[in-house]
Amino acid sequence: NAGVTQTPKFQVLKTGQSMTLQCAQDMNHEYMSWYRQDPGMGLRLIHYSVGAGITDQGEVPNGYNVSRSTTEDFPLRLLSAAPSQTSVYFCASRVGTVRLKNQPQHFGDGTRLSIL
Amino acid sequence: GQQLNQSPQSMFIQEGEDVSMNCTSSSIFNTWLWYKQDPGEGPVLLIALYKAGELTSNGRLTAQFGITRKDSFLNISASIPSDVGIYFCAGRPYSGAGSYQLTFGKGTKLSVIP
Repeated sequence: NAGVTQTPKFQVLKTGQSMTLQCAQDMNHEYMSWYRQDPGMGLRLIHYSVGAGITDQGEVPNGYNVSRSTTEDFPLRLLSAAPSQTSVYFCASRVGTVRLKNQPQHFGDGTRLSIL
Repeated sequence: GQQLNQSPQSMFIQEGEDVSMNCTSSSIFNTWLWYKQDPGEGPVLLIALYKAGELTSNGRLTAQFGITRKDSFLNISASIPSDVGIYFCAGRPYSGAGSYQLTFGKGTKLSVIP
């Protein structure tokens, strides 16, 4: 999925460890977001950002931090990993000005995270 | 938050058959999107709908934005094995603080029997 790059693709952590999931996009998109996907739950929004320096919480923000120091990058941090955070994490981006907020999102290929 | 009901949850169909799935919401949406997710990959946009009543096609796929703004459907005609995957609807609320955010349905898992 050209444009949104997520790393790593797979990761196994122990409970209590911290980790940063990386997301980068080269489309100059203002809006970026992080979702988690669990079986039978669809995609749930964790955090999002409407531009560099601006972040906000989504539906399931607890246990996660984000920052947006540049337009291109939007890392997601797990501060102290818990088994409940075992999931597939997707980063997405889109053009984000208010006038263009209806533009669809482009997704990365995901990071599969297991917490033991 | 907003909730979308997507149905059916899963479908097993014979190759060549037509498929229909839909999403309904309890509130008004101003955007409906349909995504397909293949195993091990992220969702890929199939069709985007921006106006009530809009009917849009993308090859064998057709989607409509319901007149009430509370529903949308996706049809796939003459299914083929590569149609296998999970299809997600997503909608954006009409206005308010959450209007930047997409709400996703829980997905329809499609299996095609050759």
